[in-house]
Amino acid sequence: DAGVTQSPTHLIKTRGQQVTLRCSPKSGHDTVSWYQQALGQGPQFIFQYYEEEERQRGNFPDRFSGHQFPNYSSELNVNALLLGDSALYLCASSFRSATDTQYFGPGTRLTVL
Amino acid sequence: GESVGLHLPTLSVQEGDNSIINCAYSNSASDYFIWYKQESGKGPQFIIDIRSNMDKRQGQRVTVLLNKTVKHLSLQIAATQPGDSAVYFCAENVGSSNTGKLIFGQGTTLQVKP
Repeated sequence: DAGVTQSPTHLIKTRGQQVTLRCSPKSGHDTVSWYQQALGQGPQFIFQYYEEEERQRGNFPDRFSGHQFPNYSSELNVNALLLGDSALYLCASSFRSATDTQYFGPGTRLTVL
Repeated sequence: GESVGLHLPTLSVQEGDNSIINCAYSNSASDYFIWYKQESGKGPQFIIDIRSNMDKRQGQRVTVLLNKTVKHLSLQIAATQPGDSAVYFCAENVGSSNTGKLIFGQGTTLQVKP
């Protein structure tokens, strides 16, 4: 049973560029949440997707957008990258319920130069 | 505002001793709490969870205690092993029907001395 997978593992971009990160949920899960984790900090909620719609959003600008596909996989897009966007981006999957356990992937390390 | 915080940034224990990691939360409406373990270079790993209708829940070598009166959560690890060395986060699930987001604290680093 495959867990949550993310790609790529690492990514280096320059300021102003755009980036797309990908996530495949754990088998049987239909909900995907994205988090940003700065070095030495706890993860911060970006948004959550369920039934191909953004269901809830954290305090992140519109430069951060996402998408969920019919197979429940998801993408996170960040436009006009800033140095401060450098972080570990984590994807978590769960099954429908608001209080269902969220299981995390290994993350994508994004470095913006 | 909503926040989940941990009392100590680093905890150092001797191998074989018991560890206790504490957490305070501020959202009294939250009804679900989770402890995660994060090793260097990896994503958070689920350890144990507890719902607000419980005071205590036990797993393998781990126990979570919830005190809703003072909004306090703790994780107890019995017979701590070197493999337990990691950063531990408590998280609070805040959500309504079919949605939910986790609010994490800053994390406590657990160092296990051999």
